[in-house]
Amino acid sequence: GDSVTQTEGQVALSEEDFLTIHCNYSASGYPTLFWYVQYPGEGPQLLFRASRDKEKGSSRGFEATYDKGTTSFHLRKASVQESDSAVYYCALSDPTSSFSKLVFGQGTSLSVVP
Amino acid sequence: AQTIHQWPVAEIKAVGSPLSLGCTIKGKSSPNLYWYWQATGGTLQQLFYSITVGQVESVVQLNLSASRPKDDQFILSTEKLLLSHSGFYLCAWRLGVNTGQLYFGEGSKLTVL
Repeated sequence: GDSVTQTEGQVALSEEDFLTIHCNYSASGYPTLFWYVQYPGEGPQLLFRASRDKEKGSSRGFEATYDKGTTSFHLRKASVQESDSAVYYCALSDPTSSFSKLVFGQGTSLSVVP
Repeated sequence: AQTIHQWPVAEIKAVGSPLSLGCTIKGKSSPNLYWYWQATGGTLQQLFYSITVGQVESVVQLNLSASRPKDDQFILSTEKLLLSHSGFYLCAWRLGVNTGQLYFGEGSKLTVL
């Protein structure tokens, strides 16, 4: 079945550090890929998405490039801020899915200290 | 603008007691609706989805049921809660069937004691 793997469970950084969160996927079709962010006590909200190979998604200084060859969609930000502290989820939507399922990775908890 | 409202915000319930969580979407006709469950510190797991009134598909069996009595309403329920039902329940709606993003509600936190 479809799956999403995020390598980092927790990431601790200082402000202005560079961020990378690794996301690899497995899908039978040609999925759309998403990055969601969730703040404590809230529902996840979309950061951005990409639906074609080599397409770059970006928002709020975060970016990721769809790479079909390596089945990856790694999240990066050049300079993190304390306000970026949250849980980040990589997800995929497979058009061949029989029941309209959005599959999420395990999530990566980002903590940024001033 | 579309809005999604979940109720209650939080519940503390005893094992074996019944549960009903609700979700209402305004400003969007005939949305695709979803229930997700999130254990503390865990990922999001899809429980149910519904494309139209009266039709609900189950994705994971967790001794829960869902119903869609109105176009803009989605209900999650069980007659007997288990300890394992504790967590964060999220309702969401979606534009497209397979490529559109999900819009989540604020969630309902359930603690089963």
